[in-house]
Order: sequence, then C-alpha cells, then structure tokens
Amino acid sequence: EVQLVESGGGLEQPGRSLRLSCAASGFTFGDYAMHWVRQAPGKGLEWVSGINWSGQTIAYVDSVKGRFTISRDNAKNSVYLEMRSLRAEDTALYYCAKDRGFTVTNDPFDIWGQGTWVTVSS
Amino acid sequence: SYVLTQPPSVSVAPGQTARISCGGKNIGSKSVHWYQGKPGQAPVLLVHDDSDRPSGIPERFSGSNSGNTATLTISRVEAGDEADYYCQVWDTSDDHHVFGPGTQVTVL
Repeated sequence: EVQLVESGGGLEQPGRSLRLSCAASGFTFGDYAMHWVRQAPGKGLEWVSGINWSGQTIAYVDSVKGRFTISRDNAKNSVYLEMRSLRAEDTALYYCAKDRGFTVTNDPFDIWGQGTWVTVSS
Repeated sequence: SYVLTQPPSVSVAPGQTARISCGGKNIGSKSVHWYQGKPGQAPVLLVHDDSDRPSGIPERFSGSNSGNTATLTISRVEAGDEADYYCQVWDTSDDHHVFGPGTQVTVL
C-alpha cells in the first residue's frame, strides 16, 4: 500500500524550531519529488516547499524562505522539513505529498499523508 | 506572483451538475490540477493536467481549461461529494506551486 506518514508536529513557542518527518512506503521513493503543503485552521491549502528526486533542486514559498529547510534521505525513504524562527502564522496542519514526477515543477501531487499539526503559541 | 480565484461556495441539488471555476491570467496555457478535501482526511487528486482522471476517480468528475478559466465539473452530484475543492498550477515566474483559495460544495 502506498503510504505517507508525517510526524514531529506539536506545540512550540514563537522563535523556536521544529523538525517534521515524513516516512514513505509502497513506492520507489527515490524516483519522485516530494512536497510539504500546509493548511491553517479554517483556511485553504498552501504549498510550502518541494524537493526533487535527488535533493538537488529545492523550492520554497516566499513566506518561509530563510526559515524552513526541506531535505530528503532516499536510503530511509523519508523527507524532512526543518522549521526555524517559528511564527504564529506558521500554525497549520502540515501535509507531506508525493509528486507524480521527479522534478518539483508542474506535476500534480498524487499521494498525500494525513498531516501533522504544528501550533506556534506562547 | 500568480493568483488563482475560485468562488467561495457552490450549492447543488443531488443528481444535478456542479461547476467550479478557477480563474487565472492565461490559465489555459498552464496545466491545472484539482483536489478534493474533506475534514479529517488527506486531500485527493481528482483531475490532473486539465482533464485527466487518476485511476479510481469516477467519470462524474471532469475538467476543462481554456483562456482565463479552468473548470471542474461534477455530474450527477451525490451527498458524498460535499467537500472543499482546490485548483493548483505551477507558477513559472516564481517557481512556486499555487493553490486556489478553495470552493466549498454543499449538496442541498
């Protein structure tokens, strides 16, 4: 069964850090780009970051550039999101999503995890 | 940055047809993907590349894209279609994926 399982979310204070993980199974992980998408309470979907199959091409939404870092370990079938200098507006359900292709551009996200909650509050 | 617009809500009676628009400048030149989101569930890819359906998605869901508007059409609407629907494109100017604000579909 193709599956993505996120972990690492929680309650953190503004200015602190969190590291999200996404474990993939059921497909050849190293063949596909991966993404993080978030959904703030009562709001719509927002793409956060994407990484290509090899990890050499990375993209971020402007609001997280310089604060968030996406990475992947193909040997461990996992993708990560290091979140620093957290802000209240980063509060959201963070989804891991599999790209249909190997680049971060243009293709749809065909498999999604259930998400992990990140709450930033003092 | 590239902006997508969607109506906040659409209401439709069971058995009827729902049409959800996704507006963007010259969106017809882009590949548009559509997702269904329900509370407590992972989003589901419904239509990709304007009008293709992944395996397992009913034929009732179809898409089109031309000019400045892409459209998701849900035929023979069922109660289980009540959800939020999002369009998505790749913005080549900013190297970003962009989602529309979402449309809440209510089945009367």
